[in-house]
Amino acid sequence: AQTVTQSQPEMSVQEAETVTLSCTYDTSESDYYLFWYKQPPSRQMILVIRQEAYKQQNATENRFSVNFQKAAKSFSLKISDSQLGDAAMYFCAYGNQGGKLIFGQGTELSVKP
Amino acid sequence: EAQVTQNPRYLITVTGKKLTVTCSQNMNHEYMSWYRQDPGLGLRQIYYSMNVEVTDKGDVPEGYKVSRKEKRNFPLILESPSPNQTSLYFCASSSTSGGALGTQYFGPGTRLLVL
Repeated sequence: AQTVTQSQPEMSVQEAETVTLSCTYDTSESDYYLFWYKQPPSRQMILVIRQEAYKQQNATENRFSVNFQKAAKSFSLKISDSQLGDAAMYFCAYGNQGGKLIFGQGTELSVKP
Repeated sequence: EAQVTQNPRYLITVTGKKLTVTCSQNMNHEYMSWYRQDPGLGLRQIYYSMNVEVTDKGDVPEGYKVSRKEKRNFPLILESPSPNQTSLYFCASSSTSGGALGTQYFGPGTRLLVL
């Protein structure tokens, strides 16, 4: 069975600094997708970034980028130039071709002014 | 506006009283899914559907039912709710064009309290 682990329940970063959130997963499948979602206090789930496992190039979206290490089954999220609006719960998720989706436990990110 | 809607947004009910949470999307997505969110556990998938008349169990399907008779709707049914089903529920949809699982668009959530 697939699993997703976020080992950092809470993280803190100074405004304008860079922070990296960790995520590891376990799977025997070769074709899958990885996601990072942001959940602000409003509870709305917002996609931050999506990575297809067959693509070696790391996905980026403005200040957000990932370090995808397929062999190590690691998928960390780097947030550059952190802003107060980045404060939220961040979830890492694994999805397969069949539609199964598994989320990690989440990392609560706080941003200090 | 492209969106996923859920109703009701908030619901307080009593043990054993059947209820349905509706989910509808206007993006013509093939894939729809239900999740529950509990503190410290992240989101857990309840059921998902790759297309009309096709549904599969997620990690926590016990006590829930779903149906996918139309592409746009994916209702979640609790036949006999129990207090351990008190949770925040999310519906989501995505495209599967080219066989790829696309970005999931989430509804606003339904907060359920079972007394």
